[in-house]
Amino acid sequence: DVVLTQTPVAQPVTLGDQASISCRSSQSLVHSNGNTYLEWYLQKPGQSPQLLIYKVSNRFSGVPDRFIGSGSGSDFTLKISRVEPEDLGVYYCFQATHDPPTFGGGTKLELK
Amino acid sequence: EVQLVESGGGLVQPGRSLKLSCLASGFTFSNYGMNWIRQAPGKGLEWVASISSSSSYIYYADTVKGRFTISRDNAKNTLYLQMTSLRSEDTALYYCARRGYDGYYPLWFAYWGQGTLVTVSS
Repeated sequence: DVVLTQTPVAQPVTLGDQASISCRSSQSLVHSNGNTYLEWYLQKPGQSPQLLIYKVSNRFSGVPDRFIGSGSGSDFTLKISRVEPEDLGVYYCFQATHDPPTFGGGTKLELK
Repeated sequence: EVQLVESGGGLVQPGRSLKLSCLASGFTFSNYGMNWIRQAPGKGLEWVASISSSSSYIYYADTVKGRFTISRDNAKNTLYLQMTSLRSEDTALYYCARRGYDGYYPLWFAYWGQGTLVTVSS
């Protein structure tokens, strides 16, 4: 199975600062059809996860433009500029290029 | 508004069975693939199973293959997860989630329910 390794495990931040989360895959996530099925989810405290980013860098409906996904191959990053209180929680990367689909272990964005 | 409401969770003894349901509303259920994802207490997310809109394609995680069955009733707008031979490691919050699309590009878990808790313990 593809292993997605997220770093850091916890990211202390000050509101208004930028945060960056890395997601590295044990294999390239480029599908044979040329697409890269890499998504990012945020699970706020006490809530269900919500989709933020799909296809590496596309924001889902209603997601603010301070969330920026980037990367290629097996190395991906989610940047959150100007962190706001509602951005706190656990972020997960997810891949569906290879079967079975797998999640990263999560990165907790918390206040410093 | 897309709504997914899971039910059927509870406390069950190891080796027993349980059937989860997910009632969908706010969209044409028969047009979308559906999924189950679980989260053990204090842990991360694990994809469990997927089913296509017409039930033609069904996939399972190896950890549940042969024990869990995903199904759907498009007339009732309901997704199911039949769980048998339950183990303590199946204890988790079980979410149903709907696929999404950007044109033809699939979004795996575009909408999530609130989850239903399954506890496997004697």
